[in-house]
Amino acid sequence: NAGVTQTPKFQVLKTGQSMTLQCAQDMNHNSMYWYRQDPGMGLRLIYYSASEGTTDKGEVPNGYNVSRLNKREFSLRLESAAPSQTSVYFCSLSAGGLRGYTFGSGTRLTVV
Amino acid sequence: GQQLNQSPQSMFIQEGEDVSMNCTSSSIFNTWLWYKQDPGEGPVLLIALYKAGELTSNGRLTAQFGITRKDSFLNISASIPSDVGIYFCAVQNYGGSQGNLIFGKGTKLSVKP
Repeated sequence: NAGVTQTPKFQVLKTGQSMTLQCAQDMNHNSMYWYRQDPGMGLRLIYYSASEGTTDKGEVPNGYNVSRLNKREFSLRLESAAPSQTSVYFCSLSAGGLRGYTFGSGTRLTVV
Repeated sequence: GQQLNQSPQSMFIQEGEDVSMNCTSSSIFNTWLWYKQDPGEGPVLLIALYKAGELTSNGRLTAQFGITRKDSFLNISASIPSDVGIYFCAVQNYGGSQGNLIFGKGTKLSVKP
């Protein structure tokens, strides 16, 4: 997963707490994505960013916000965490073309 | 939203056996991808299929893009313990300008040593 750094790797939150998941790239790709992975559900798109300064909702955006202040970083924020947001979160990049999708190693979030 | 139906959900096989899994969709897609996810890691691309009817190999892995463009299968020959993991099919979402991937729910492969 070189080129995509996700932090933190693990996090436990109490219901109602807030936190920001960070994703940083050194591959100079325009498109960045946040997915969540739940058991038996595959990966589902939360938000994406086609370029610096632009973001848009994916399939499951409720309860999340994102920020793409520069080309390198794409952050995912949970304003008031809920147990339903317990999941593994993956950041992904695309340079265009199908072989250009790279995934980070994930953030495992538990909300109690 | 668009869905990919992947089967089987899980399988246990004896080392050395061949494995087959497939993915279907009610919609036509112009490309199909197969990913593998090891425990604690993100998905890694195994095979990409760009043309209907195409059969592509990567070592012991062989994947085919269905002629109807609505399905694909992945075969693993002579399985070994390191084949353990979750295998996902995926297609590119052409709706709007997202360019994201749509994933199947995965096939969890466990190998009996």
